[in-house]
Amino acid sequence: SQTIHQWPATLVQPVGSPLSLECTVEGTSNPNLYWYRQAAGRGLQLLFYSVGIGQISSEVPQNLSASRPQDRQFILSSKKLLLSDSGFYLCALAGGPREQYFGPGTRLTVT
Amino acid sequence: QKEVEQNSGPLSVPEGAIASLNCTYSDRGSQSFFWYRQYSGKSPELIMFIYSNGDKEDGRFTAQLNKASQYVSLLIRDSQPSDSATYLCAVNENDYKLSFGAGTTVTVRA
Repeated sequence: SQTIHQWPATLVQPVGSPLSLECTVEGTSNPNLYWYRQAAGRGLQLLFYSVGIGQISSEVPQNLSASRPQDRQFILSSKKLLLSDSGFYLCALAGGPREQYFGPGTRLTVT
Repeated sequence: QKEVEQNSGPLSVPEGAIASLNCTYSDRGSQSFFWYRQYSGKSPELIMFIYSNGDKEDGRFTAQLNKASQYVSLLIRDSQPSDSATYLCAVNENDYKLSFGAGTTVTVRA
């Protein structure tokens, strides 16, 4: 079965600091991978998705970036965090015809 | 991003009752429809998917799809306190992307 790992689980960072969130998956190969953000009390916003190593599609112009250095690794980064970057960051993979499964998430608070 | 609209909620139902959740979508070309359950502080969990018009039942959950009306619903029968959560409707935009509604929060009163 497929498993999604995300770390860290929680993170508190000051404004202007860098960010690196990691997502790794097990039990599948060449999955489509996704980064979502959920702000407090809000819906899911798709940030990036990747259909393969080195292939990144950006959905929302912002100060975030994503990379996929390995088949089962997806990284979300920022050089300088903003207060508005606070939220619940979710990594997801496509597990079947169009369905997506989510990892446990990273809760980021920018202070 | 295509629009997906859900009841604003919150929806409060007594234990044992039926909770009815509604979702409408804007893209007539959508083919796949999903319901996720999200407990407070946790990540969304896929509970139902439906591709064809009509009803699909899984335990106490029934998903209903009407593509002509661009409408998908979720019924939770014999609601339990453990069903208290936010329910997210999702619709495929293409083979790679889903559009999510804002969610409906359900509270089941014991």
